Amino acid sequence: DAKTTQPPSMDCAEGRAANLPCNHSTISGNEYVYWYRQIHSQGPQYIIHGLKNNETNEMASLIITEDRKSSTLILPHATLRDTAVYYCIVRAIYNQGGKLIFGQGTELSVKP
Amino acid sequence: DGGITQSPKYLFRKEGQNVTLSCEQNLNHDAMYWYRQDPGQGLRLIYYSQIVNDFQKGDIAEGYSVSREKKESFPLTVTSAQKNPTAFYLCASSIGREEKLFFGSGTQLSVL
Repeated sequence: DAKTTQPPSMDCAEGRAANLPCNHSTISGNEYVYWYRQIHSQGPQYIIHGLKNNETNEMASLIITEDRKSSTLILPHATLRDTAVYYCIVRAIYNQGGKLIFGQGTELSVKP
Repeated sequence: DGGITQSPKYLFRKEGQNVTLSCEQNLNHDAMYWYRQDPGQGLRLIYYSQIVNDFQKGDIAEGYSVSREKKESFPLTVTSAQKNPTAFYLCASSIGREEKLFFGSGTQLSVL
């Protein structure tokens, strides 16, 4: 599975859009990009995933560059409850190994 | 409500003692996983199971053991061979090869 690189921390003002970047320059053609977030002392929560097209759901939008080497998670109107660690993960959809490898993630602080 | 239940929320281990962490899911998911998280770190995979009566080692399986006798249950035993067991343990499940993981709320294990 390809490795990912994320900034260790970011700040965002409440009500503004939070844009969280992720680099995955070694991504393969059959690997998806997944985003999870973890609020302190809780289990991670799935946010969104995509292959090459941009995706949107009720929580966020995922923008993947045309070369698929990087992506951005967008929280359109960040609230204080969005303060969490955000993990970007890439892996093959039919990975026989069953592994999902989490890196260090980005700690997002949403401030009033 | 469907979900994953981990118990207990807090657990203390004495020197030389084995302890077992419970993980139960009623989502009818095929695959189940155990992760370990140390303070300020990402998640590391301990064991995973794709089907009943089968499981594979993850990246840090030494000092741990699991069983998968029922689809709903995937208990993790932290043995006395695990010299640094203090960590936050997370159980997760997914539908077969579907990569959207659902996590439990975690168990904090500490050594007395």
